[in-house]
Order: sequence, then C-alpha cells, then structure tokens
Amino acid sequence: KAGVTQTPRYLIKTRGQQVTLSCSPISGHRSVSWYQQTPGQGLQFLFEYFSETQRNKGNFPGRFSGRQFSNSRSEMNVSTLELGDSALYLCASSLLGGGEKLFFGSGTQLSVL
Amino acid sequence: KNQVEQSPQSLIILEGKNCTLQCNYTVSPFSNLRWYKQDTGRGPVSLTIMTFSENTKSNGRYTATLDADTKQSSLHITASQLSDSASYICVVSAENTNAGKSTFGDGTTLTVKP
Repeated sequence: KAGVTQTPRYLIKTRGQQVTLSCSPISGHRSVSWYQQTPGQGLQFLFEYFSETQRNKGNFPGRFSGRQFSNSRSEMNVSTLELGDSALYLCASSLLGGGEKLFFGSGTQLSVL
Repeated sequence: KNQVEQSPQSLIILEGKNCTLQCNYTVSPFSNLRWYKQDTGRGPVSLTIMTFSENTKSNGRYTATLDADTKQSSLHITASQLSDSASYICVVSAENTNAGKSTFGDGTTLTVKP
C-alpha cells in the first residue's frame, strides 16, 4: 500500500509569488490535514479536509488556503509569499480523522527568498 | 484550553544508554495519546497509542506509559542507538474530535552520540 505522497519535495520561491503544494493520501483515507513546521517549532495545524469539505482551520492568515478533490487528493496554496513562510509543510491522512493514527508524507520544504 | 507540554526540549545521550521523555497534557475529555518519531527532514511516524485504560505499552525498545490521573505520559527508550536521533512528538486527542483538533506538543529533540 503506497504511503502519503507530497510533491514537490523542495521548492524555492521569491517574496510575493504564490505556490501550490500537493498531497496524495493513502488509498481509502478521506481525511487530509496540513501542518507547517519551522526549525525548532512544533507542528502548527493549518487545516483539515474531509470529503472535499474543510472541516477545521488553524490560526493562519487567509493567504493560506486549500482544497480537496473527489479522489481525496489535496492541494494547499499560499499566495503573496513572505520570508516567514519558509518551512516544511507536512500533510497527513487518516481514514476518518478524529484521534486516529495520522500517516504523514515526507513534506515539502519551501524556501522563500 | 487544551495544551501539551513536553520535556526536556532537547536531550543528548551516549549510544547504549537509556532515556525518558515526558509529556504532560490538559486535554479533556481525553481519548488517546500518541507518540510520534520524526527524523530530520521527514514526516512523523507513529510509535505507540495509549488509551485511557492502558498504563504501559511497548514497541521494541520504546515503552510508553500513561497516568490518566495526573495526565502524564512518558516514552522510555532502552539501549539507545544512533538511529534513535530524532524529534519525538506527543499528540493528545479529545473525544469527538477531528484530526485538526488533536493537540501537538512541541517535541523533544533527542541526539544519540557514539
């Protein structure tokens, strides 16, 4: 069974640009959640999607958005990039969300110059 | 407010030694507690899950304990190996919660030196 796949693995952008990250969950998983991790910081929750609907949202500005498709694949978009957006972005999938075990992808390392 | 606090923030031990990581939480009503291991530049991987009725659970050289009364958990690593160098994250979920409402600790960074 394939794991959670995130693309691209690395990304370099400049301030003001926008970026789209992709996450393919484990087959059959309907919940996809996104997290931001900066050096020395814990995982900060961005949002969770379940059956194409955003179910929860963290405390991030509106520049951060996402969506989920009918096949449960999810994308995250960050517009008007700032230097502080440089981070490892992780997505995780689970069958139904809740307190289930999360299966994480390897992340997308975003560098904003 | 639900909170998870982990200690120490970082730890350095010699290969072959044991260590214990701590996790204190105030999540309520409690459903389960998970320990994840995150290697540098990778996503976290689940090590163990503890539910209310469980006191101890082992996964190889990793042993997790839970004291639901004091709301504390520990992760004990026996006979450490260089590959144990990683960040260990404690995640606590409340009942009737969605993935986004699980509470994450900031992690303990463990370095095992030869």
